[in-house]
Amino acid sequence: QVQLVESGGGVVQPGKSLRLSCAASGFTFRTYGMHWVRQAPGKGLEWVALILFNGSKKYYADSVKGRFTISRDNSNNTLYLQMNSLRAEDTAVYYCARPLTWDDENDAFDIWGLGTMVTVSS
Amino acid sequence: HSALTQPPSASGSPGQSVTISCTGTSSDVGGYKYVSWYQQHPGKAPKLVMYEVTKRPSGVPDRFSASKSGNTASLTVSGLQADDEADYYCSSYAGRNTFVFGTGTKVTVL
Repeated sequence: QVQLVESGGGVVQPGKSLRLSCAASGFTFRTYGMHWVRQAPGKGLEWVALILFNGSKKYYADSVKGRFTISRDNSNNTLYLQMNSLRAEDTAVYYCARPLTWDDENDAFDIWGLGTMVTVSS
Repeated sequence: HSALTQPPSASGSPGQSVTISCTGTSSDVGGYKYVSWYQQHPGKAPKLVMYEVTKRPSGVPDRFSASKSGNTASLTVSGLQADDEADYYCSSYAGRNTFVFGTGTKVTVL
């Protein structure tokens, strides 16, 4: 079945780096744009980043621009989020999410992973 | 883009209806067809319940409906059931391949 599984979360000190992964299965990963969305503890959802199907273009929320990098490996059906210069306010559950359709990356977030928790603390 | 504005809470008795509003601007909700709604139970991932303003994904009961007028979108859950108790978030495309979510509404089934 269609599935997304995030990994790589953990506890990291402020200013340090962390890389998240999202393993996709059950669909043709290389044809879909992919997103990262986060949720701070007890707070709402926040869109983080989008990468087009072939990795040619990437888009970021202002809150992470210049610090986070989204990438993908279509040969291994995996999405990544490299997070540098981490701050306490980056503490959140990070979800990867797939759009509803392969040909419209701006459509709704249809498939979600279970999320991976990132805690930024000294 | 600032978060879309939703009421913090809404409630209704079983069998009744509840409507949640989602207010944005002409640069997001009012400007595009890409308004969607998500249901999130505690400790779970969000689940898509409405997309492109009025469309319902397969498997979502027709008790869920949505609309948009100007810069405000709305989600209505009719025939409330215990399992409808959850947090609900709206989302909108905000141009230039960016997206914004609502502040979230906790729905309580009395």
